[in-house]
Amino acid sequence: DAKTTQPPSMDCAEGRAANLPCNHSTISGNEYVYWYRQIHSQGPQYIIHGLKNNETNEMASLIITEDRKSSTLILPHATLRDTAVYYCIVRLRLFMNSGGYQKVTFGTGTKLQVIP
Amino acid sequence: NAGVMQNPRHLVRRRGQEARLRCSPMKGHSHVYWYRQLPEEGLKFMVYLQKENIIDESGMPKERFSAEFPKEGPSILRIQQVVRGDSAAYFCASSVYGSIDNEQFFGPGTRLTVL
Repeated sequence: DAKTTQPPSMDCAEGRAANLPCNHSTISGNEYVYWYRQIHSQGPQYIIHGLKNNETNEMASLIITEDRKSSTLILPHATLRDTAVYYCIVRLRLFMNSGGYQKVTFGTGTKLQVIP
Repeated sequence: NAGVMQNPRHLVRRRGQEARLRCSPMKGHSHVYWYRQLPEEGLKFMVYLQKENIIDESGMPKERFSAEFPKEGPSILRIQQVVRGDSAAYFCASSVYGSIDNEQFFGPGTRLTVL
């Protein structure tokens, strides 16, 4: 699986957009970019994923560069409840006898602190 | 539809005892994944199971750790003869299929403390 690099921490003012960068320069053509977050003492929560095109859902937007070597997760209007560790992950599809499956390795992520 | 359930949420064991962690996947999910999170670290993959089958256990320690997902009942992660280094949060996730396009839904975790 490709390795990702994220800043260890970031601050964001409440109500402003939070832009969380991720570098994945060794990503291969069949690897997707996924974002999860982990609020303190809870299990990780899926946010969004993409392959080549930019994606948007009710939680966030994902911007992937044309060369796919980096991406940015955007929380358009950060709230205090968005304070969490955000993980950027790239996934290699592995083919086993039972079919493809996802094996996920989380790094240390970015600790986002939303400030009132 | 209830989410992924794990119990107990907190487990305290003395060195040498056994720890049994249970995970009930979301309804309709037949794929279960276990992860371990040491303090101040990210989650590390341990094992991937489908009903009655271990598909990938490449992240499991070679000794003392085992996992199962029986036809009926929850998935169990079993740690025998626990040591202090086993103290961590253990998360279970489930998905509908094992394909790349199905995100995993995580449970709240079991925090194991070994005294």
